[in-house]
Amino acid sequence: NAGVTQTPKFQVLKTGQSMTLQCAQDMNHNSMYWYRQDPGMGLRLIYYSASEGTTDKGEVPNGYNVSRLNKREFSLRLESAAPSQTSVYFCASSVSRRSNQPQHFGDGTRLSIL
Amino acid sequence: SQQGEEDPQALSIQEGENATMNCSYKTSINNLQWYRQNSGRGLVHLILIRSNEREKHSGRLRVTLDTSKKSSSLLITASRAADTASYFCATDQTGANNLFFGTGTRLTVIP
Repeated sequence: NAGVTQTPKFQVLKTGQSMTLQCAQDMNHNSMYWYRQDPGMGLRLIYYSASEGTTDKGEVPNGYNVSRLNKREFSLRLESAAPSQTSVYFCASSVSRRSNQPQHFGDGTRLSIL
Repeated sequence: SQQGEEDPQALSIQEGENATMNCSYKTSINNLQWYRQNSGRGLVHLILIRSNEREKHSGRLRVTLDTSKKSSSLLITASRAADTASYFCATDQTGANNLFFGTGTRLTVIP
């Protein structure tokens, strides 16, 4: 009963390196999301995918790209990492984008950029 | 910022006591959700209250919503050590496509 699985759990990068964060859900959810969590800031939405084949920008999309590979998988890519992208990244999914649907979260990827 | 704000930022109580945390927001909403986050883990959905509801219960949780004051409160009754976590409110704002999360209340329940 995995729910939302994120890999890797931890990563250290040097400035300018690229990386892809992976997310997969086994709940047959249509919608998926990427958030970042910074101290004192709460969670902020980076990108979301309302359904397979669609992606849209959230509140803080600059410096990131996403791919909705199939219904299960939604990846987040940092093309040229910057220290300001040091954060904890969470993937979430929900049955749909309808407002009464709760979101289910993975346990996060802790990313440090030196 | 469209984020909500929780109050207090941190709360420490004895096991068996009640814990109350508050959330304030700035715009009209469709609903408000509360989530819990244990240390090092992802968020877990607790309860959703719609804009036309004033109070909702789920087990030891009681949520109130006052849309005129743009605020909500989460009450945890008879707290347990396992309730130690951070609690976040998230608002589904009218006309927006996203949930906006608050900054969280860190609750510590002392056995």
